[in-house]
Amino acid sequence: EAGVAQSPRYKIIEKRQSVAFWCNPISGHATLYWYQQILGQGPKLLIQFQNNGVVDDSQLPKDRFSAERLKGVDSTLKIQPAKLEDSAVYLCASSLDTGQRVFGTEAFFGQGTRLTVV
Amino acid sequence: DQQVKQNSPSLSVQEGRISILNCDYTNSMFDYFLWYKKYPAEGPTFLISISSIKDKNEDGRFTVFLNKSAKHLSLHIVPSQPGDSAVYFCAALRSYNTDKLIFGTGTRLQVFP
Repeated sequence: EAGVAQSPRYKIIEKRQSVAFWCNPISGHATLYWYQQILGQGPKLLIQFQNNGVVDDSQLPKDRFSAERLKGVDSTLKIQPAKLEDSAVYLCASSLDTGQRVFGTEAFFGQGTRLTVV
Repeated sequence: DQQVKQNSPSLSVQEGRISILNCDYTNSMFDYFLWYKKYPAEGPTFLISISSIKDKNEDGRFTVFLNKSAKHLSLHIVPSQPGDSAVYFCAALRSYNTDKLIFGTGTRLQVFP
């Protein structure tokens, strides 16, 4: 079974530039997450999709970050304009959950995109 | 507000001994807990989970214990192996809600020969 695919693996940009990350979840997974992991911290949820609808984006800095999930499959996360503090690893994850089960199922993560803003 | 806490940033254990990683949470609505392992330059990989109806779940060398009254869970690795050296994240969610997976800050485990 193919895992969660993310690209690019690494990106270096100057502050105030824009950047986009792409994620292809595991086939059939209804839920897709974008996490930001700053060095030395745990992953922080930015946005969660169920199919192509947004379930939670309460921690997404909406003045500069945007995300979409096309046709309930692939997703892109964009930052415009980038700031120095956006330097982090951006992780995409997916899970089978369709909201009908009783207890949670594990989320599967991609390798992440390491963003460095200089 | 850090709802999931891992107070030990690092742990060093000798090969063959037991590794115990701890995690505390503040939200009593959490009812499903997961442990993830992360190697450098890779995404976290799922290790083991436990639902709130249980107090123990075992999978090979890995056992997770849940103490709901103390809002505490722990991961035991017995025996520890050098390949277990990684960062371990505890995560929690509320199954009946939006399924938002909240992570702790991680504990770096180093298993030495």
